[in-house]
Amino acid sequence: AQSVTQLGSHVSVSEGALVLLRCNYSSSVPPYLFWYVQYPNQGLQLLLKYTTGATLVKGINGFEAEFKKSETSFHLTKPSAHMSDAAEYFCAVMPPSGGFKTIFGAGTRLFVKA
Amino acid sequence: GAGVSQSPSNKVTEKGKDVELRCDPISGHTALYWYRQSLGQGLEFLIYFQGNSAPDKSGLPSDRFSAERTGGSVSTLTIQRTQQEDSAVYLCASSSQTVNTEAFFGQGTRLTVV
Repeated sequence: AQSVTQLGSHVSVSEGALVLLRCNYSSSVPPYLFWYVQYPNQGLQLLLKYTTGATLVKGINGFEAEFKKSETSFHLTKPSAHMSDAAEYFCAVMPPSGGFKTIFGAGTRLFVKA
Repeated sequence: GAGVSQSPSNKVTEKGKDVELRCDPISGHTALYWYRQSLGQGLEFLIYFQGNSAPDKSGLPSDRFSAERTGGSVSTLTIQRTQQEDSAVYLCASSSQTVNTEAFFGQGTRLTVV
């Protein structure tokens, strides 16, 4: 069965600092990988996704993530945090075949300090 | 429709009452998901529909929870004899038939059982 682990339920960074949110997955075959963001009192929206091809994926708002098969990881990064990045971030996996069920991690809440 | 629509947006109910939560997916999306998000928790998978059938209902917490989907479109999540621990935000998402596409989320229904 697939699973997703997000290390750190809360991450705090200063404005302008590097953002690093960690995600590791467990799967017998490399799944499709997603990062979603949830701003306060809003629904989830897709930040970026990896399916096949280039392992470094760029998303909206300056975020990017790199798929590392050897480490079963898909960490999310942004070079310089902005106050507006404060939100909850969810890593998710979907099997590459045989179904569309998406499994989400527990989420990481990002705080950005002025 | 343009996006996933959920109703009501907020629901306060008395313990022991039944509630129905509605989800209108994006037109043409064959996959539909229900998740539950409790305070401080991640997204808990409840049930997944492909068309009108539910290949995976493994996440339903108890037999008080049920869901149906009709016409390959609208879905209703029903909670019978609500308990205080049912209080949460219930999120619905839909995705297209194409593999590796992301899920699009509604704004959720905030259920409060008093």
